Amino acid sequence: QVQFQQWGAGLLKPSETLSLTCAVYGGSFSDYYWTWIRQPPGKGLEWIGEIKHSGGSKYNPSLRSRVTISVDTSNNHLSLKLISVTAADTAVYYCARGSDQTPQGAWRSDYYYIDVWGKGTTVTISS
Amino acid sequence: SSELTQDPAVSVALGQTVRITCQGDSLRTNYASWYQQKPGQAPLLVMYGKNDRPSGIPDRFSGSSSGNTASLTITGAQAEDEGDYFCNSRDSSFNHLAVVFGGGTKLTVL
Repeated sequence: QVQFQQWGAGLLKPSETLSLTCAVYGGSFSDYYWTWIRQPPGKGLEWIGEIKHSGGSKYNPSLRSRVTISVDTSNNHLSLKLISVTAADTAVYYCARGSDQTPQGAWRSDYYYIDVWGKGTTVTISS
Repeated sequence: SSELTQDPAVSVALGQTVRITCQGDSLRTNYASWYQQKPGQAPLLVMYGKNDRPSGIPDRFSGSSSGNTASLTITGAQAEDEGDYFCNSRDSSFNHLAVVFGGGTKLTVL
């Protein structure tokens, strides 16, 4: 049973760097997309980006210039860095596990889903 | 990147059937997955792929897809089904294979 433990600064000033870490416990670290998603207060979900254990990453085009997602496979830690934050970055940040494995065990790129979510970390940007 | 469109709010009488829809170009070539979120909680996967339910999700939840529209149907809605529902899929536009979410549908069980 995969579980996450998230931590990081919850209050930042504009222009600072947001840094969050997520420890992944249980299950395999390979074959999945380790993902960050955020949700501004009262709004919907926004995909930030993902990384595979091999290091290949993809980012939301709207955030690509400011975001870095990394993974430390020695301790199964997933990290998020977002530079030059503004009030618009205020949100609950979730680490999550993405997969494209079918119930039959095949891997299909059109079968994507997020099956495990962290509890979320509230990050507020305020001067 | 492409977008996924959902109705902002839907209501259903207790025990009746409700369909929540999600529209977008990415759904022509990718399956949608569906998440239920209750206040103060992380989202929960309730449906994915062709019509696959994670373990523990009641069989009153089902999924379907046609063209650019995916649907989540709850047959015999219960009070505990009230919450926000989000769809998502891979976004194959520009070869990015990124991920997109719908804006969410607030389901009220009357």
